[in-house]
Amino acid sequence: TQLLEQSPQFLSIQEGENLTVYCNSSSVFSSLQWYRQEPGEGPVLLVTVVTGGEVKKLKRLTFQFGDARKDSSLHITAAQPGDTGLYLCAALNAGNMLTFGGGTRLMVKP
Amino acid sequence: GAGVSQSPRYKVAKRGQDVALRCDPISGHVSLFWYQQALGQGPEFLTYFQNEAQLDKSGLPSDRFFAERPEGSVSTLKIQRTQQEDSAVYLCASSGGLGTEAFFGQGTRLTVV
Repeated sequence: TQLLEQSPQFLSIQEGENLTVYCNSSSVFSSLQWYRQEPGEGPVLLVTVVTGGEVKKLKRLTFQFGDARKDSSLHITAAQPGDTGLYLCAALNAGNMLTFGGGTRLMVKP
Repeated sequence: GAGVSQSPRYKVAKRGQDVALRCDPISGHVSLFWYQQALGQGPEFLTYFQNEAQLDKSGLPSDRFFAERPEGSVSTLKIQRTQQEDSAVYLCASSGGLGTEAFFGQGTRLTVV
């Protein structure tokens, strides 16, 4: 059982649609991070959420940290083909080590 | 350099062969991490260095895996007697220290045949 469970695992949508991906755990975290990874590249940090209930926006991407700090969601509005990639959530431990979820692979078709 | 550099980008090894994967972190970054990413999965932690000290190697899957960072800069991940299950992308990341953003390299894709 993974510490962080991401859903769905795969998502294929048309350009212009909205979508939400989830990152869930039974553990409480001081913070969660979201990364995007494109094929042949390493993950790139999108955002860090630290406060329960926090909402952060990055252009068309909206990130939310659950009130109990056990889960997080990423909502994309009007998805573009450039949003295609693997979206990973990760928890940072006291030793600065990241524990990643299994990821959501998103494909946005033009 | 501007970012984390890993080499080679691709490596094909025959089962039983030893391999060495190199990571050049961002200049001045004290923390360096190695992760293993199997196809279709998220990265999994292997080991962590602070300067030249290996502070955590709990994620190394077996004693065939060995990592070093002798001068606190470049790091090498060595895999001895490679097996098919070692096939994965090996990612290196560096950061300026606790609580700072980690930057990832492009990874080395290892295929063991």
